[in-house]
Order: sequence, then C-alpha cells, then structure tokens
Amino acid sequence: SQQGEEDPQALSIQEGENATMNCSYKTSINNLQWYRQNSGRGLVHLILIRSNEREKHSGRLRVTLDTSKKSSSLLITASRAADTASYFCATVWAGGGNKLTFGTGTQLKVEL
Amino acid sequence: GAVVSQHPSWVICKSGTSVKIECRSLDFQATTMFWYRQFPKQSLMLMATSNEGSKATYEQGVEKDKFLINHASLTLSTLTVTSAHPEDSSFYICSVERASGRPDTQYFGPGTRLTVL
Repeated sequence: SQQGEEDPQALSIQEGENATMNCSYKTSINNLQWYRQNSGRGLVHLILIRSNEREKHSGRLRVTLDTSKKSSSLLITASRAADTASYFCATVWAGGGNKLTFGTGTQLKVEL
Repeated sequence: GAVVSQHPSWVICKSGTSVKIECRSLDFQATTMFWYRQFPKQSLMLMATSNEGSKATYEQGVEKDKFLINHASLTLSTLTVTSAHPEDSSFYICSVERASGRPDTQYFGPGTRLTVL
C-alpha cells in the first residue's frame, strides 16, 4: 500500500495550545496537501506544499516538508475548540497524475 | 471555495438493491472527478477516476462491475453501487478537478453515507 501514515492517531489539547501532526509517505511526490474533515462531513483543503518547498504558512497553519525523510508536519498555533476535527495529509506522487493518496489521519480534539 | 454537491446525503437500502449517488460541480466544469470510500474512523481510499466522455479508471481491487461510474457531462458524475451488500456500507465522497486553472487542487463534496441492511 502507498498509503502514508500519520501520528499521532489522536491528539487532545487545551484551547490556546499548539497542535502538531506528522505525516510520513512512501514515494516521490509532486506535492503534499493537508485536509480537514469534521465528523461525518466532506473534506476542506487547508494547504498545499510543493516538493521544492520546505515550509509554508497560512494563517495559524504552518506546514513543513522534508523530502529526504519523506515526511511533513502540520502545526496549528493557538488552537480553538472549532479546530476539533480529523486532519489528513495527502500526497500527489510523481508520475501519478493528480491522484491523491491519503494518510491515516489524526483526530484532534481541542478542549475548552 | 468551489461548491461540489452530492445527492443523496445519506441512503439506507436493502441488501441486493442498487444505489446511485450523484456528484455535481456547481461552480465550474470538471473534466475529472474522483470517487473515494471511507470506512468509519479510517482514511479515504480512492476507488476510481471519472473522466468526462470516457471510461472510468478503477484502482486495484475495486470491482468495476459493482461500482459503475458514469461521467456524462462536465458537471455530473454518478456512482452506482450495484447489488449492494452490508460490507458496502460506507461514506462515499467525490472530488472534482477544474477543467482550467490550478490543476493541483481538488474540491470535495460533502459525502454520501450508504447503509446497506
């Protein structure tokens, strides 16, 4: 399976704290994307980082990419209860068109 | 962001019946649509890539005769689960890729929850 892995599987933090999720993948990629999914809902695209980029920011989100280690991390700063959701990384592998291969996901719970 | 709709949002059916799920791109024309399946507390698994005007491309292990895909227009793709069984119960999600503009981003529908009794 080409599916990537994420850790931790579940993360529970207090509001205001930072949340870090890690993603590892197996193949050479064109880009890596992070998505958010609220329970039983569709996915929302958060951020895309290309294989030649190392870090990217969007609001309270910071994504890093280390292609030598085939890993990425998503940092959510100053978390809010509304950030409670599942977060998935997804890779577009080189030579695979635009097909997304999703990681196993991290369930984040932000408590008041 | 772009709007993608799915219909129905949920469906319950008896074992052996067929169920059709629609995926519509409301904001733009989509030459390519993707169908995913997600079991409870698991990740999304790509089932097939739906191309307008041509046959769908199925991922390894996905039965094309069981999961019929029709991409009849640039805004509509349908997934028909034929002779559904309880093990087909899952959350089915589609995504669309713009015909023009940024090719990297897919826009996801809200999903359809299928329960087969």
